[in-house]
Amino acid sequence: EDQVTQSPEALRLQEGESSSLNCSYTVSGLRGLFWYRQDPGKGPEFLFTLYSAGEEKEKERLKATLTKKESFLHITAPKPEDSATYLCAVQGHTGGFKTIFGAGTRLFVKA
Amino acid sequence: GAGVSQSPSNKVTEKGKDVELRCDPISGHTALYWYRQRLGQGLEFLIYFQGNSAPDKSGLPSDRFSAERTGESVSTLTIQRTQQEDSAVYLCASSPSGPLEQYFGPGTRLTVT
Repeated sequence: EDQVTQSPEALRLQEGESSSLNCSYTVSGLRGLFWYRQDPGKGPEFLFTLYSAGEEKEKERLKATLTKKESFLHITAPKPEDSATYLCAVQGHTGGFKTIFGAGTRLFVKA
Repeated sequence: GAGVSQSPSNKVTEKGKDVELRCDPISGHTALYWYRQRLGQGLEFLIYFQGNSAPDKSGLPSDRFSAERTGESVSTLTIQRTQQEDSAVYLCASSPSGPLEQYFGPGTRLTVT
């Protein structure tokens, strides 16, 4: 069964303090791994798709990386506006297009 | 362009009543997903539609839940005989094609009293 585990559950950073969020996954043949950002009371907002181990993608202060077992979302010099819940999700080749989401990491960035 | 819209934004219903939630996907998006998000938790897959193919209903938690989609347009999620454990935010997402990124609506917050 496809599974996604995110850690830590919550992360508190000072502005400018870089860190990483972890997403460990188990899937029967990875079709794609996705990162989303969710602000309170809103639907998730797409950030990245990663398809194969070794792939990296960047957007502003965020960089996502992928290995065969996990993905990291690196946040460089975060700002208070980066505070949100970050969700990781996977699609496997054997699950149709069913998407499995992790529980998320709540990030708080203090000025 | 217009994003995914959902209605109503909030719904309060009494236990045992039926509710219908609506999703308008982005025009041209062939794939449509429904998810449930309980307070403080991640998204729980409910159902997936792709064009005219048979939907993937493997995430529906019970036979009280059903969903329909006409072609590549509007979808409705129906919950019959609502229970308190059905209280959650119901999110809809659409995608240009199955394995690509999904664009989410703002959700419908359902409260069953």
